[in-house]
Amino acid sequence: EPEVTQTPSHQVTQMGQEVILRCVPISNHLYFYWYRQILGQKVEFLVSFYNNEISEKSEIFDDQFSVERPDGSNFTLKIRSTKLEDSAMYFCASSERLAGNYEQYFGPGTRLTVT
Amino acid sequence: DQQVKQNSPSLSVQEGRISILNCDYTNSMFDYFLWYKKYPAEGPTFLISISSIKDKNEDGRFTVFLNKSAKHLSLHIVPSQPGDSAVYFCAARRGSQGNLIFGKGTKLSVKP
Repeated sequence: EPEVTQTPSHQVTQMGQEVILRCVPISNHLYFYWYRQILGQKVEFLVSFYNNEISEKSEIFDDQFSVERPDGSNFTLKIRSTKLEDSAMYFCASSERLAGNYEQYFGPGTRLTVT
Repeated sequence: DQQVKQNSPSLSVQEGRISILNCDYTNSMFDYFLWYKKYPAEGPTFLISISSIKDKNEDGRFTVFLNKSAKHLSLHIVPSQPGDSAVYFCAARRGSQGNLIFGKGTKLSVKP
């Protein structure tokens, strides 16, 4: 069964450093998403991406964040200068379409620890 | 701003009995609701969904009920199995917006 994959599973970085989190969405999916879950809190939407551009973003997704689809398979989230409060699980998701009844399929997540 | 609320952080049920997980929402523009199950160190796994034009959707042991007037939905699992022990998230979506709004989750423990 096709699945969303994410690398690395765990990333430790120092405050102020740049990190890139990688995702390979399900191959026939056209819409891609990043969510995060700070420990003990709810899963929060960050950004959605379609047709090589951001279609929607939350207030969390500020100028420190960027997304890219550098090739036909990868979807990346970059945090330019990490802060302690960026420590969280980051989940990538993908879906076949945007409207109508559909599901988003999530990857296993990357645990980001900022020290 | 909690648009999707799961007021019970945990629920413990005996194997074979029914598990009922509840979810309330405040935004009447939500038109699609989903339940996800999450095990530790894994991503959320889609379980079952319901459109706002329906009041019930069933898939095997899982049934989701939607009460639009009360802005309430529930997930019924019957019979409950120990392997159902996980955190269950309710999520909602509005129209053509892609982002899901999640509740805080309910940790279900099914005792053998």
